[in-house]
Amino acid sequence: EVQLLESGGGLEQPGWSLRLSCAASGFTFSAYAMSWVRQAPGKGLEWVSTISDSGGSTYYADSVRGRFTISRDDSKSTLYLQMNSLRAEDTALYFCAKGRSGSTASCYNYWGQGTLVTVSS
Amino acid sequence: DFQMTQSPSSLSASVGDRVTVTCRASQGISNYLAWYQQKPGKGPRLLIYGASTLQSGVPSRFSGSGSGTDFTLTISSLQPEDVAIYYCQKYNSAPWTFGQGTKVEIK
Repeated sequence: EVQLLESGGGLEQPGWSLRLSCAASGFTFSAYAMSWVRQAPGKGLEWVSTISDSGGSTYYADSVRGRFTISRDDSKSTLYLQMNSLRAEDTALYFCAKGRSGSTASCYNYWGQGTLVTVSS
Repeated sequence: DFQMTQSPSSLSASVGDRVTVTCRASQGISNYLAWYQQKPGKGPRLLIYGASTLQSGVPSRFSGSGSGTDFTLTISSLQPEDVAIYYCQKYNSAPWTFGQGTKVEIK
């Protein structure tokens, strides 16, 4: 059974940093592209970042480029999102999502339950 | 900026009704279009990919169609458990943009 378990969320002040983690199990983690998607309270889904199966290619939404860094550790089957220079508008539930195929041109067939990030002074 | 525009933003229909949600891409995306269902407090669930391919385990009352810029999600006979928000997403290349969502309720 595929499982994605996010952690690392919490309350942080503007300008500070957080690192989110997503522990994956039930599939060959290294064979799939992985992504982060967020959802602000009461709002829709917003794609944040994607990393290729090899880790050699990364992609970011304009709203986070230069502040967030996606990475993966295949030995630990874990996806990360380093979030720096946090802003109030980064407040959201952050989901980890597994690509349906190994290509980055893939939709997401499994999602975690999310970890809540709140940015406030 | 790439846009995915869904309509309507919300709808209310009776059990057994046929329900249609549309999604329009600001540029052609071939058939790289997915539909998701999200219920309160849950992560999204993939319903359809490749514009028209039903994900394993999804009831056959759900179907998708379209190509290029115009896409449709249809629920052939609305059931109480279909109350949710539905999102389309393009996934041919970055940015992997979502539509703004369509809230489906029972009348």
